Amino acid sequence: EAQVTQNPRYLITVTGKKLTVTCSQNMNHEYMSWYRQDPGLGLRQIYYSMNVEVTDKGDVPEGYKVSRKEKRNFPLILESPSPNQTSLYFCASSLSRGREKLFFGSGTQLSVL
Amino acid sequence: DQQVKQNSPSLSVQEGRISILNCDYTNSMFDYFLWYKKYPAEGPTFLISISSIKDKNEDGRFTVFLNKSAKHLSLHIVPSQPGDSAVYFCAASVPTTDKLIFGTGTRLQVFP
Repeated sequence: EAQVTQNPRYLITVTGKKLTVTCSQNMNHEYMSWYRQDPGLGLRQIYYSMNVEVTDKGDVPEGYKVSRKEKRNFPLILESPSPNQTSLYFCASSLSRGREKLFFGSGTQLSVL
Repeated sequence: DQQVKQNSPSLSVQEGRISILNCDYTNSMFDYFLWYKKYPAEGPTFLISISSIKDKNEDGRFTVFLNKSAKHLSLHIVPSQPGDSAVYFCAASVPTTDKLIFGTGTRLQVFP
């Protein structure tokens, strides 16, 4: 089954404790992206990647890191999480472009205390 | 600065009637628009899209209209069904980049 898999679904952590949210897709998609969803703000793009070893900042990249060492994986790293990073995070992928049909993961609800 | 706005946070429609969801944008350079639907506890799923060279695109019960002069996008669902109850996001593509700018979403409730 074609899918984008994020883990974990729920995560509670404390300020400053490094964490990684994993994202994997099995569709051989070139494009992958991370979004966060906050009430009243919709979905905002954090980082995106056009292909292996090619990443670029979205609209809200501060406090986040990403890497794309393999085509299928695109982890989101919070080196020192802060409470303002409490949010619902989505990973997405598409065949080749961000403007094409995106396939989203089920989301990761992160709470930073 | 919200470049893509969905001014109605919620909409309630009776089953069988038309649902109209609206989206306004400020950047006239946007050249591609998409609608996504999101159910609770799931990620958004693609619904329909339209290029800026068109003013209408239809897919079954879903039709998207684009009014470039008004910088306005709308999604029509006819007839509405209870399974259409979800949050709908519009999104706009920034030319020459692979950025998508999403709106804040409209929660549609279709009641029997």
